[in-house]
Amino acid sequence: EPEVTQTPSHQVTQMGQEVILRCVPISNHLYFYWYRQILGQKVEFLVSFYNNEISEKSEIFDDQFSVERPDGSNFTLKIRSTKLEDSAMYFCASSESAEGKTQYFGPGTRLLVL
Amino acid sequence: RKEVEQDPGPFNVPEGATVAFNCTYSNSASQSFFWYRQDCRKEPKLLMSVYSSGNEDGRFTAQLNRASQYISLLIRDSKLSDSATYLCAVNDRGRDDKIIFGKGTRLHILP
Repeated sequence: EPEVTQTPSHQVTQMGQEVILRCVPISNHLYFYWYRQILGQKVEFLVSFYNNEISEKSEIFDDQFSVERPDGSNFTLKIRSTKLEDSAMYFCASSESAEGKTQYFGPGTRLLVL
Repeated sequence: RKEVEQDPGPFNVPEGATVAFNCTYSNSASQSFFWYRQDCRKEPKLLMSVYSSGNEDGRFTAQLNRASQYISLLIRDSKLSDSATYLCAVNDRGRDDKIIFGKGTRLHILP
């Protein structure tokens, strides 16, 4: 069964450093998402991406964040200058289409900012 | 009002019992509804979509009440492996239907 994959599974970084989180969505999917979950809190939407551009972003997704689809398979989330409060689990998701279609989540990257 | 609200639990239920979770949502324009299951430190995994007519998948039954903006999940004959956090989720009718999650309800099945 096809699945969303993410790398790395864990990332530890110093405050102020840049991190890039990588995702490989399911191959025939067209819509891509990043969510995050701070420990003990709910899963929160960050950004959606379709047709090589951001479709929607949340208030969390400020200028420190960017997304890219550098080739036909990878979908990346970059945090330019990490803050302590960026420590969270980051989930990538993809769906075949937007209209109520199921989003499939990757296993997540656990980011710890020290 | 919070967008998606759930009782956080925990629900401690003996194996074999029936347990029900409820969820309310604030956006009356939401069109798609889901229950996800999340194990500790893992990703949300779709348990089932929720349809207006209600739907059943084995031991799991989901119901939707649009008038009351209320979603439910019933688990019959609970198993130890059902222990997890159950996330209620609704789509937000923006351009790309982002999902709004509740904080989840923790379920512990006791042997």
